[in-house]
Amino acid sequence: GESVGLHLPTLSVQEGDNSIINCAYSNSASDYFIWYKQESGKGPQFIIDIRSNMDKRQGQRVTVLLNKTVKHLSLQIAATQPGDSAVYFCAENSGNTGKLIFGQGTTLQVKP
Amino acid sequence: GAGVSQSPSNKVTEKGKDVELRCDPISGHTALYWYRQSLGQGLEFLIYFQGNSAPDKSGLPSDRFSAERTGGSVSTLTIQRTQQEDSAVYLCASSLDLAGIGSGANVLTFGAGSRLTVL
Repeated sequence: GESVGLHLPTLSVQEGDNSIINCAYSNSASDYFIWYKQESGKGPQFIIDIRSNMDKRQGQRVTVLLNKTVKHLSLQIAATQPGDSAVYFCAENSGNTGKLIFGQGTTLQVKP
Repeated sequence: GAGVSQSPSNKVTEKGKDVELRCDPISGHTALYWYRQSLGQGLEFLIYFQGNSAPDKSGLPSDRFSAERTGGSVSTLTIQRTQQEDSAVYLCASSLDLAGIGSGANVLTFGAGSRLTVL
């Protein structure tokens, strides 16, 4: 069945270092992927998205990489800051529906 | 409104009682979604509404769960005869358009959620 999973539940990085959060998905028909950030007590907040016809997309300090061959998605955060501390979720969408399938989330801890 | 508004923010109820959770989406957003987030878990899809189309209810865990959306705007998620396993944060989200997926217009904007505790 469909599933989106994250490899590590917690990632701890030093302030200023780069962070890489990974995500594996199982539905090869998924054609749209999104990363969300969720801070404590808040709803998830959109970070960046990517379509399946792309393998890389860059935003402000964030880059998403998509490897369809191995069904892997990653989020790279450059120069990680304390404000980046949160839970990060990847999500996939298959076809033109509103049903996003979310992974379990990776907690990013930024050490000062 | 400027964002997705949910109420109540916290609800404590006794097992067996019914609860209603409300979602006020962003004005003009045609699609509305409900997700459930248990402690330390990801988001579990429950239901979504798109315009006048029949809602996708495929994620509702049991017939105790129902949702409606009146006038294409406000939505209410109702849980009847609540059980302890219903305890979770219920998140509502809205988006502008389902067509042209991946264009950016399909990005979901989430509310802060309604935390439900069933004793």
